[in-house]
Amino acid sequence: DIQMTQSPSSLSASVGDRVTITCRASQSISSYLNWYQQKPGKAPKLLIYGASSLQSGVPSRFSGSRSGTDFTLTITRLQPEDFATYYCQQSYSTLWTFGQGTRVEIK
Amino acid sequence: QVQLQESGPGLVKPSETLSLTCSVSGGSISGYFWSWIRQPPGKGLEWIGYIFTTGSTNYNPSLNSRVTISLDTSRTQFSLKLRSVTAADTAVYFCARATRRINFDMFDYWGQGILVTVSS
Repeated sequence: DIQMTQSPSSLSASVGDRVTITCRASQSISSYLNWYQQKPGKAPKLLIYGASSLQSGVPSRFSGSRSGTDFTLTITRLQPEDFATYYCQQSYSTLWTFGQGTRVEIK
Repeated sequence: QVQLQESGPGLVKPSETLSLTCSVSGGSISGYFWSWIRQPPGKGLEWIGYIFTTGSTNYNPSLNSRVTISLDTSRTQFSLKLRSVTAADTAVYFCARATRRINFDMFDYWGQGILVTVSS
């Protein structure tokens, strides 16, 4: 199985802050990495696919990047509606796996 | 607008079979990977498996021996059966559509989720 490890597991930030979340794959997954946002009691929402492509309708303050097996989700100018839990997910192997999640809380 | 809606019992007894259905509306059922994902209370997401519109399936090996996903194209529904459940199977179960775009697969539409509790 390909393990996806996110860091940090949680963070506190203020509105307007720049936030960076990292996801590391246990082996090469090329750019087969997606990012999702989940709010309490709701289904996840696709933000980024293919490591860096923005899903239609998602604000441009969200961006994704890749360096080897390390992937980064960046939120510039954090907004009140961005406080949520974020998950990475790989689709490189036939067994799709998620990271454990990163909770973004209000400072 | 594509919409997915899970339905089924919210309570299942240990050792019995969990059965859920996902109804799809607002779009074609062809050409997509129709998936189930679950989330135990307060925990992360676990992919259960998918069925492609050709009928081919792919399951998480950790659940493979207990899972069956089927597709009813005439009714635009797909279903999940999970046999021999235990308390560890208590979770919110989501149905989702996985799309392939430029060779990348992603979950682009999700149902709202249904909580299934395994308890006697």
